[in-house]
Amino acid sequence: GENVEQHPSTLSVQEGDSAVIKCTYSDSASNYFPWYKQELGKGPQLIIDIRSNVGEKKDQRIAVTLNKTAKHFSLHITETQPEDSAVYFCAASQDAANNLFFGTGTRLTVIP
Amino acid sequence: GAVVSQHPSWVICKSGTSVKIECRSLDFQATTMFWYRQFPKQSLMLMATSNEGSKATYEQGVEKDKFLINHASLTLSTLTVTSAHPEDSSFYICSARYGPGNTIYFGEGSWLTVV
Repeated sequence: GENVEQHPSTLSVQEGDSAVIKCTYSDSASNYFPWYKQELGKGPQLIIDIRSNVGEKKDQRIAVTLNKTAKHFSLHITETQPEDSAVYFCAASQDAANNLFFGTGTRLTVIP
Repeated sequence: GAVVSQHPSWVICKSGTSVKIECRSLDFQATTMFWYRQFPKQSLMLMATSNEGSKATYEQGVEKDKFLINHASLTLSTLTVTSAHPEDSSFYICSARYGPGNTIYFGEGSWLTVV
């Protein structure tokens, strides 16, 4: 089955700096890679996703890159703000499959 | 994005009683919903996959007689924790598959405390 690894487990950055979270996956059949933001006591919120037919996707301050050959994908947050502080989860799945395989999460702290 | 709503957001129940958590897709029809359990500072653990009109598929190690899942309509799935024990206390989260693209949206989660 799929195995998703996520690094780092914790990340602290100064407000305005960039943050990068990396994930690797094991199943070359995976073709859908979403990122979720989870604030304390709340459910995960989809912030961006990418499919295997593209290498990069951007939405304002958030971007995701995908390297299918190396089987890794990354979340990039630029100009970080204190409200970006949360736990971020990456995930991988196949369109035809039923469930997402999650990484272990990264706790991001943006220091004002 | 699509909206998935859970109710209740938190519940306290006595040991031995049963409690039901609802998961609704508010603005779309979801043929597939998922139930997760999350312990503090840990990732989401998939409990079961719920398909409308059929029996849920449980992950290994999850007791299907204890965690009853019903997906009676395209917008509603329920999780019933039967004969609850304190060790069942946790954060339960549902999600729903939206559209043909396999995008999955999560509910806000439900905190269960068994006393």
